[in-house]
Amino acid sequence: KQEVTQIPAALSVPEGENLVLNCSFTDSAIYNLQWFRQDPGKGLTSLLLIQSSQREQTSGRLNASLDKSSGRSTLYIAASQPGDSATYLCAVSSGNYQLIWGAGTKLIIKP
Amino acid sequence: SQTIHQWPATLVQPVGSPLSLECTVEGTSNPNLYWYRQAAGRGLQLLFYSVGIGQISSEVPQNLSASRPQDRQFILSSKKLLLSDSGFYLCAWRGLSSYNEQFFGPGTRLTVL
Repeated sequence: KQEVTQIPAALSVPEGENLVLNCSFTDSAIYNLQWFRQDPGKGLTSLLLIQSSQREQTSGRLNASLDKSSGRSTLYIAASQPGDSATYLCAVSSGNYQLIWGAGTKLIIKP
Repeated sequence: SQTIHQWPATLVQPVGSPLSLECTVEGTSNPNLYWYRQAAGRGLQLLFYSVGIGQISSEVPQNLSASRPQDRQFILSSKKLLLSDSGFYLCAWRGLSSYNEQFFGPGTRLTVL
């Protein structure tokens, strides 16, 4: 059974720092992995989707990597800004209808 | 472009009352539709998914039900709410050619008192 873990559960860093959020999964037979952002009381916004055949995806200051063999993905945020404060969720698809979710990392960027 | 709507945005209901949450999708046809619940401080729990009109699959036993009367409409219902039904309810859709990428609505905050 696939399990997804996100560590740390919460992270607070000063503005301007580069940071890494971690996501690990127990079954390497995945179809893709998706990173989402959730602002308080809001829905989820898809940030990046990495196919199983890909190693990384980039969007602006965000870079997501995928290492299937070790069951890990990282979300790298460059030059963090207060507007990046949110909860970041990763979810893994095994090719069927369902996503398996991590519990999220709550990120606070201090001005 | 595709858009997903949910209403109401917030809802406060007494225990034992009925529930109806609605989700509609625009700009796509024959999407897969999902209902999730997010309890405070926890991850997302898949409640129902649908691959077509009238086709509903339930992931967890509960006093909730779902219906899909139209291609782009997904409804979450309950006949009698429990305190444990409180949470943030999210609807999502996935297109057939989007590599399993899911897109989410704005959510409904339900408080059962």
